[in-house]
Amino acid sequence: NAGVTQTPKFRILKIGQSMTLQCTQDMNHNYMYWYRQDPGMGLKLIYYSVGAGITDKGEVPNGYNVSRSTTEDFPLRLELAAPSQTSVYFCASTGGGGAYQPQHFGDGTRLSIL
Amino acid sequence: ELKVEQNPLFLSMQEGKNYTIYCNYSTTSDRLYWYRQDPGKSLESLFVLLSNGAVKQEGRLMASLDTKARLSTLHITAAVHDLSATYFCAVDTPNTGNQFYFGTGTSLTVIP
Repeated sequence: NAGVTQTPKFRILKIGQSMTLQCTQDMNHNYMYWYRQDPGMGLKLIYYSVGAGITDKGEVPNGYNVSRSTTEDFPLRLELAAPSQTSVYFCASTGGGGAYQPQHFGDGTRLSIL
Repeated sequence: ELKVEQNPLFLSMQEGKNYTIYCNYSTTSDRLYWYRQDPGKSLESLFVLLSNGAVKQEGRLMASLDTKARLSTLHITAAVHDLSATYFCAVDTPNTGNQFYFGTGTSLTVIP
């Protein structure tokens, strides 16, 4: 029972490079989310999706893009990486009606931009 | 914008003592979630509170929700070292398009 799987776990990027953070879930959840967590801080929502083909911006979407072509996958794309994007990125999902259930989180991707 | 505030931000307590973490939020909601995060780890769901007056307990932790006061509490009874972690509350509402808003977290250290 894998739950929410994120890859890679760690990554170092140079300024200006691009990369995709992968997230997949095997719980048939409709709702998926991307958060970033800066050191000693809470979680800030980057993007979320309520189903395949539907995405929406969260609190801090600038510098990121997402897509949701399948129920299982919700990749996060960083274009032109900047030092301010150094953070830990968490993907989460929840099923049923979206709310009323807690989110299941992946183990996170620790990203450093140098 | 919905705001979720926790206090205290940092809490150092001795084993065996009791304490309460508070979570205030700025808009009407009857859905409140508590999570635990160990250092360098992901978030783990602790409690889901879905109505005014809801109370949930698991071991030494008890969570409650007062939707009229827009307040949730996480009470720790007779703390043990294993409870050392960061605790987050989160709120979602029908009006926020299925978004969850997290508090800043309370970092708890239990000292032997």
